[in-house]
Amino acid sequence: DAGITQSPRHKVTETGTPVTLRCHQTENHRYMYWYRQDPGHGLRLIHYSYGVKDTDKGEVSDGYSVSRSKTEDFLLTLESATSSQTSVYFCAISRGETQYFGPGTRLLVL
Amino acid sequence: KQEVTQIPAALSVPEGENLVLNCSFTDSAIYNLQWFRQDPGKGLTSLLLIQSSQREQTSGRLNASLDKSSGRSTLYIAASQPGDSATYLCAVSNSGGSNYKLTFGKGTLLTVNP
Repeated sequence: DAGITQSPRHKVTETGTPVTLRCHQTENHRYMYWYRQDPGHGLRLIHYSYGVKDTDKGEVSDGYSVSRSKTEDFLLTLESATSSQTSVYFCAISRGETQYFGPGTRLLVL
Repeated sequence: KQEVTQIPAALSVPEGENLVLNCSFTDSAIYNLQWFRQDPGKGLTSLLLIQSSQREQTSGRLNASLDKSSGRSTLYIAASQPGDSATYLCAVSNSGGSNYKLTFGKGTLLTVNP
């Protein structure tokens, strides 16, 4: 357990609505990641962070933005949610070179 | 672009059987490779990490091997148990440091029948 929490754990929203997912860690790790998991696609990296205010794009970053103003929090924002963003979102941290995952957020965009 | 493939997509075995899960990757210039386990509705749990310079890693009944030149890794599970039922995912990284990120396969769904 790497002390990772995600909130909310479940969310239903409507198309066009902004949505922010939060990842919180308690162990002061430098690297944090946001993934989405979809049937048929597996896990895909959205954005990652290698320090406060240091972020970069992953494989599927279109439609998403991130912010990291404190070491412990990494926020993922869907500026205007679309049905294609219905997914399970996982946050992860790196402890050394091993990644540890949070419990996930199930997002349904209607 | 790195691509990771896992075969088979699903596997069902009787309890006590030894089994092998396969992972292949297209770009052999990897930094490391990890195997994860995911239970239904849960996050991923790291099982084993193999550095690019290593050939294998072992943890209990699990043994992961790496053949970087051929772009392959295997996860061997000895004496399987019903509690081993889960999805197993393979992931590779091509870089370390601030560019450290993983590319995942789609996983193998393992069912161990009592």
